Amino acid sequence: GQQLNQSPQSMFIQEGEDVSMNCTSSSIFNTWLWYKQEPGEGPVLLIALYKAGELTSNGRLTAQFGITRKDSFLNISASIPSDVGIYFCAVAGGTSYGKLTFGQGTILTVHP
Amino acid sequence: EAGVVQSPRYKIIEKKQPVAFWCNPISGHNTLYWYRQNLGQGPELLIRYENEEAVDDSQLPKDRFSAERLKGVDSTLKIQPAELGDSAVYLCASSLGAGGHNEQFFGPGTRLTVL
Repeated sequence: GQQLNQSPQSMFIQEGEDVSMNCTSSSIFNTWLWYKQEPGEGPVLLIALYKAGELTSNGRLTAQFGITRKDSFLNISASIPSDVGIYFCAVAGGTSYGKLTFGQGTILTVHP
Repeated sequence: EAGVVQSPRYKIIEKKQPVAFWCNPISGHNTLYWYRQNLGQGPELLIRYENEEAVDDSQLPKDRFSAERLKGVDSTLKIQPAELGDSAVYLCASSLGAGGHNEQFFGPGTRLTVL
């Protein structure tokens, strides 16, 4: 079935550092999404990407939709303690319209 | 505006017991999803409803899992009987429609522990 490879699995950084994580797929997808999940909560959409090569920012977050449509990355600049959480990439579409397939997640820890 | 509401938030049961989860989507959202999230993994879709019709239940283990959305609004997901491997967080999400640019909004989930 469809599978996303997300890396790294976890990151431990100091406040103020920049963060980068990425996600790859063996299949082409037309929509790439980045979510953040905090303990005891459901995932919350951060950035949605709909066009190959698209670079989109949301505050300190920047994400890009790879030109091959098989990958995406998420950058967080100048990290702060509230950035702590699990970040998931997800893809929509493919063979199942409306279905989201999630990566395994990147656990981010920010030390003050 | 209220988000997706789920109850209960936590449930602990013994194996072979039945359990049910309830979800009330955001008002006006026609599409409702149930996901299961195992520890250390991303959510995986179990079933998707368009109004009251289940349009994608290919990942739902039908021998023990069932779901309904009788009036096209709130939904119930049931497991009977529960097994140890069913321990997970069950997430409900809703969107205005399926696919396209329709964002899925997730509820807080129900954490199920099967002993």
